Amino acid sequence: GQSLEQPSEVTAVEGAIVQINCTYQTSGFYGLSWYQQHDGGAPTFLSYNALDGLEETGRFSSFLSRSDSYGYLLLQELQMKDSASYFCAVLSGGYQKVTFGTGTKLQVIP
Amino acid sequence: DAGITQSPRHKVTETGTPVTLRCHQTENHRYMYWYRQDPGHGLRLIHYSYGVKDTDKGEVSDGYSVSRSKTEDFLLTLESATSSQTSVYFCAISESTGERGDSYEQYFGPGTRLTVT
Repeated sequence: GQSLEQPSEVTAVEGAIVQINCTYQTSGFYGLSWYQQHDGGAPTFLSYNALDGLEETGRFSSFLSRSDSYGYLLLQELQMKDSASYFCAVLSGGYQKVTFGTGTKLQVIP
Repeated sequence: DAGITQSPRHKVTETGTPVTLRCHQTENHRYMYWYRQDPGHGLRLIHYSYGVKDTDKGEVSDGYSVSRSKTEDFLLTLESATSSQTSVYFCAISESTGERGDSYEQYFGPGTRLTVT
């Protein structure tokens, strides 16, 4: 089956950089996604990596190493509004096989 | 933002009663999904649809059924609600499949908070 591991909580200072790791075990791997969810809100899509390497979108970057079954989300120049939960999700075997991690709650402190 | 609405947004019901949640999209996306979200479990897939009248089970489908008679609507039914089905339910849509290396993105509705007493 599929399994993902990510830290349950991370605290970082406003203006700093934080990295949220995700390791996974799966068969038929297609790609790794990241979603952000504020308390009481819906998950929103941040990034998707199908190939090894770093993808940058503004202050957020996402990295994937298929050989290590590992990825991370990098948030730079942290802002208070970045306080949220971040989920990694593995796509394996196509659209019908999406497995989410249990989420990392990021707290940004002044 | 993708045009996805869910109704109702909140519902309290009693054990043993049937409940239907509705997801409506205006994006004409092919794929639709129902998830439940519980503390400590993240998002878990209940059922998904890959076209009108085409649906299949996810990892936590017991006690749930779905129907999709139109592209824009995906209904989730709890035939006889139980307290273990108290949860927040999210509908999601996607157009891509990720099967040819294309970006795979899901867009989520605002969620329905269901309480079964």
